[in-house]
Amino acid sequence: RKEVEQDPGPFNVPEGATVAFNCTYSNSASQSFFWYRQDCRKEPKLLMSVYSSGNEDGRFTAQLNRASQYISLLIRDSKLSDSATYLCVVNIAHDMRFGAGTRLTVKP
Amino acid sequence: ETGVTQTPRHLVMGMTNKKSLKCEQHLGHNAMYWYKQSAKKPLELMFVYSLEERVENNSVPSRFSPECPNSSHLFLHLHTLQPEDSALYLCASSQAGRKAKNIQYFGAGTRLSVL
Repeated sequence: RKEVEQDPGPFNVPEGATVAFNCTYSNSASQSFFWYRQDCRKEPKLLMSVYSSGNEDGRFTAQLNRASQYISLLIRDSKLSDSATYLCVVNIAHDMRFGAGTRLTVKP
Repeated sequence: ETGVTQTPRHLVMGMTNKKSLKCEQHLGHNAMYWYKQSAKKPLELMFVYSLEERVENNSVPSRFSPECPNSSHLFLHLHTLQPEDSALYLCASSQAGRKAKNIQYFGAGTRLSVL
């Protein structure tokens, strides 16, 4: 079983759509959780941290369920600029484990 | 700009060459990392340095040799690489510690091609 598994994608959605990404992780000792965004041929950039209580940043909402070892990201009112690969990331001490990423394309 | 600078941005080398990748962080962080990203694969953690000491190796082949002379600089020395080592090599830094979330900030990467 992969340490961090994500929806395989790709997701192709129209502008204005709501899209949800899921992620599961295998190590119950994982301490912190993130979503990163990676544009084509660019470096990953932090999108948001994920907290157990759930957190929101504008159109983006992240949820964490420690009991189920499940993380989600919801994007509302998709914009063309949201097109990217979204990486689920799980951290234990110095060890960051990345999912393979889910590619999102938002179309006009 | 994320405050993490990598050079060179692109590198083409033969299998018998020796080259080095350089990373510099201007964020005051105490931990630095090397990752490898191959096409359609997750990022693979190669090396971790915390407070200038290596804390993780992850069974990386010896043809990759890291060096961390201080908390702001990190090198990856390359020697007799194989074509399958062609990939994007990413450097990252973070503020690591017991209460830190260890959010990592990445450089733009070095795209390496081994011929």
